[in-house]
Amino acid sequence: SQQGEEDPQALSIQEGENATMNCSYKTSINNLQWYRQNSGRGLVHLILIRSNEREKHSGRLRVTLDTSKKSSSLLITASRAADTASYFCATDASGTSYGKLTFGQGTILTVHP
Amino acid sequence: NAGVMQNPRHLVRRRGQEARLRCSPMKGHSHVYWYRQLPEEGLKFMVYLQKENIIDESGMPKERFSAEFPKEGPSILRIQQVVRGDSAAYFCASSPNGQGSEKLFFGSGTQLSVL
Repeated sequence: SQQGEEDPQALSIQEGENATMNCSYKTSINNLQWYRQNSGRGLVHLILIRSNEREKHSGRLRVTLDTSKKSSSLLITASRAADTASYFCATDASGTSYGKLTFGQGTILTVHP
Repeated sequence: NAGVMQNPRHLVRRRGQEARLRCSPMKGHSHVYWYRQLPEEGLKFMVYLQKENIIDESGMPKERFSAEFPKEGPSILRIQQVVRGDSAAYFCASSPNGQGSEKLFFGSGTQLSVL
């Protein structure tokens, strides 16, 4: 199976609730990034966490990284209908010095107003 | 400051024809990546280019696919003799310094449909 697998595959919540998405990967990494994709559009970068970091915040986003378990989570607090999108984690493998990313299959998040 | 521009947005080709996908990176970015996305899947790396150089083409099929990023003009992903399995969304991304710790800026993609 491929590097960077997200779970759940789909998540449906009500506005105001928190959304948590998980990502697992297989090889050692330098960095892990989360991207968002609205239907039919390109990806938009959300947040990057380095392999020596354990947690990072940006606005309503909170990312954790556990390199011993090769996993990461993305928490979106106080979700809004506009957060409806697909969310992907992406890693760049140790030893790679450029932006060659391995993406997971994504979590489809639906936030109901 | 315009973002990454891809055209065409949609491209329909019959089997055996050629497809040319264009990508203009963000102003000031000289590093371009091409990714392919099949329906309901994540993106798969295809090729990484700097101006006039292919740095890593390990994700690109050896036959029928080629990419270039000339000194002047956009990056081009070319698919010769397309087959139905080439139908996918092709995304271009750029970054200023080509570092793994940089975020990538993505275009809106080209949806290729092969009839």
